[in-house]
Amino acid sequence: AQKITQTQPGMFVQEKEAVTLDCTYDTSDPSYGLFWYKQPSSGEMIFLIYQGSYDQQNATEGRYSLNFQKARKSANLVISASQLGDSAMYFCAMREMNRDDKIIFGKGTRLHILP
Amino acid sequence: NAGVMQNPRHLVRRRGQEARLRCSPMKGHSHVYWYRQLPEEGLKFMVYLQKENIIDESGMPKERFSAEFPKEGPSILRIQQVVRGDSAAYFCASSPGGGRLIEAFFGQGTRLTVV
Repeated sequence: AQKITQTQPGMFVQEKEAVTLDCTYDTSDPSYGLFWYKQPSSGEMIFLIYQGSYDQQNATEGRYSLNFQKARKSANLVISASQLGDSAMYFCAMREMNRDDKIIFGKGTRLHILP
Repeated sequence: NAGVMQNPRHLVRRRGQEARLRCSPMKGHSHVYWYRQLPEEGLKFMVYLQKENIIDESGMPKERFSAEFPKEGPSILRIQQVVRGDSAAYFCASSPGGGRLIEAFFGQGTRLTVV
């Protein structure tokens, strides 16, 4: 069964608009962490934002925020005021405390920012 | 303040040759993870190692692939008798471990091409 589901294979968004990338996850572990990574065309994996399962508030990092809805098991990434440089693949990932600690990735969403 | 270092960045091998991919984790990190990424796909977990121990190799093909993380030196992912299907980007990540659910830091990846 899929642990991390990203339902949007690709998205096109106008520059300066906000964009939401969807991510749902599946775990029975009460302690886990959720991550978003960006992979530009150059190929490196860039860490964007982290949300712990016990965190009371949604994580924010600059223009990135994570809309964490624990009961719905969703961890959507919101990018405000999108820029052309945001065009990339975005991966949602999870790490479970009581599993063997590996990070599991979703299949990714390719985001295209239009000028 | 070096991050995770992977080398080589690009590796070309003929079918039947051996490929050795190296990963030096961030300073102070004792946990290393290897992932494989096929074109236009997400990252697939291969193996999780701590110093001198393989913790989880559930994602490793049973044949031709091996990994180690010796007490001294980098982690090595070794692919023997490479085939065309081994062509992919191989990413290494490291984390401090110890049950802390913080992000894993990724290297730049090694792009293996089998000709």
